[in-house]
Amino acid sequence: SQKIEQNSEALNIQEGKTATLTCNYTNYSPAYLQWYRQDPGRGPVFLLLIRENEKEKRKERLKVTFDTTLKQSLFHITASQPADSATYLCALDLGSSNTGKLIFGQGTTLQVKP
Amino acid sequence: DSGVTQTPKHLITATGQRVTLRCSPRSGDLSVYWYQQSLDQGLQFLIQYYNGEERAKGNILERFSAQQFPDLHSELNLSSLELGDSALYFCASSRPAGLALTSYNEQFFGPGTRLTVL
Repeated sequence: SQKIEQNSEALNIQEGKTATLTCNYTNYSPAYLQWYRQDPGRGPVFLLLIRENEKEKRKERLKVTFDTTLKQSLFHITASQPADSATYLCALDLGSSNTGKLIFGQGTTLQVKP
Repeated sequence: DSGVTQTPKHLITATGQRVTLRCSPRSGDLSVYWYQQSLDQGLQFLIQYYNGEERAKGNILERFSAQQFPDLHSELNLSSLELGDSALYFCASSRPAGLALTSYNEQFFGPGTRLTVL
């Protein structure tokens, strides 16, 4: 069956450290993979998109890697801050026929302690 | 502020009732997506409209229906409501491929409608 897995347990780290979140998927062949941030009771906010032919993408303190062989994406936040505390969702974009349909993982909650 | 608006913000109703959720996409966005988010299911894709036409369907129940109007706003109709329909319902919008300034299909989410069925 098709599945997207993110760490269900909350990730607790100290301010200033690098947070690494994992997204694994099976039986999908995504054309793109996206990461979103979601704060409690609010809509997800787009962070980064990485294409299947890209290994790595960076944006300020954020870095995403995409390994289509391992079927895994890693999301890194360097020099983490308490304001980075939120739930992070990975989403697969199968890229078929311009539908734009996204398949979301359950999300990993990150808690950055001062 | 994503530019996507949803009304109402909260909705409390009884089982068996029917409700309508409304979404206005960002200016210029032709695609509208509806998602349901509950604690145990996560964010689930329901349906997508593109410029007034249904484009993709997810795990949307037959009791649910949606439409997109000529002015591009969209409505999600939920009928014969059950306790299990209680959830956050999000609308998102995006530009069509080829017109995105930065990414293929970045989606902009609204603030959501929290539906409680008693």
